Amino acid sequence: QQKVQQSPESLIVPEGAMTSLNCTFSDSASQYFAWYRQHSGKAPKALMSIFSNGEKEEGRFTIHLNKASLHFSLHIRDSQPSDSALYLCAVSASGGNYKPTFGKGTSLVVHP
Amino acid sequence: EAAVTQSPRNKVAVTGGKVTLSCNQTNNHNNMYWYRQDTGHGLRLIHYSYGAGSTEKGDIPDGYKASRPSQENFSLILELATPSQTSVYFCASGGDWGGGNTLYFGAGTRLSVL
Repeated sequence: QQKVQQSPESLIVPEGAMTSLNCTFSDSASQYFAWYRQHSGKAPKALMSIFSNGEKEEGRFTIHLNKASLHFSLHIRDSQPSDSALYLCAVSASGGNYKPTFGKGTSLVVHP
Repeated sequence: EAAVTQSPRNKVAVTGGKVTLSCNQTNNHNNMYWYRQDTGHGLRLIHYSYGAGSTEKGDIPDGYKASRPSQENFSLILELATPSQTSVYFCASGGDWGGGNTLYFGAGTRLSVL
């Protein structure tokens, strides 16, 4: 069974800082990697996803994936108070039988 | 934006009672999922479906049944509710390879079993 772990559990950063969130997974056959953001009392919402090794940037957000290290990360440039939320990583072994496993989440607080 | 609607939004049930949580999606996604979210555990997969008539067990299926009578509807059934099933339940659809595997979540159902 896929194991997905996130670190840190919680994080407090000042406005404007670079924030880095980490996710490790156990199944080396994993093919799909995603980050979701969940504001308090709301549903999770997809942020970004990546399929192959390397880096993908969208606005202030960047994903790094290193399959050999079983690790991927989310970096938030110029963090804003509106980025304060629970960040969940999701990993799936196969696109055909898509059954994503989520980590427990990192709680981010960005203070003005 | 994909639309996933859950009902009810809040539910109080008695121990031993039957509870049905409903989910409807209007985006013609093949895959649908039921997760529960508890503090310290993140999102855990209960049941999922690849299309009408199919249901699959997720990681924590004990005490739950699922039903997918149509492409649009996916229900989660607690035949004999227990206090340990008090949680927030999220339905999601999506996960189609052509759609980038993105999941779209409903607003959630907060269930309390007394």
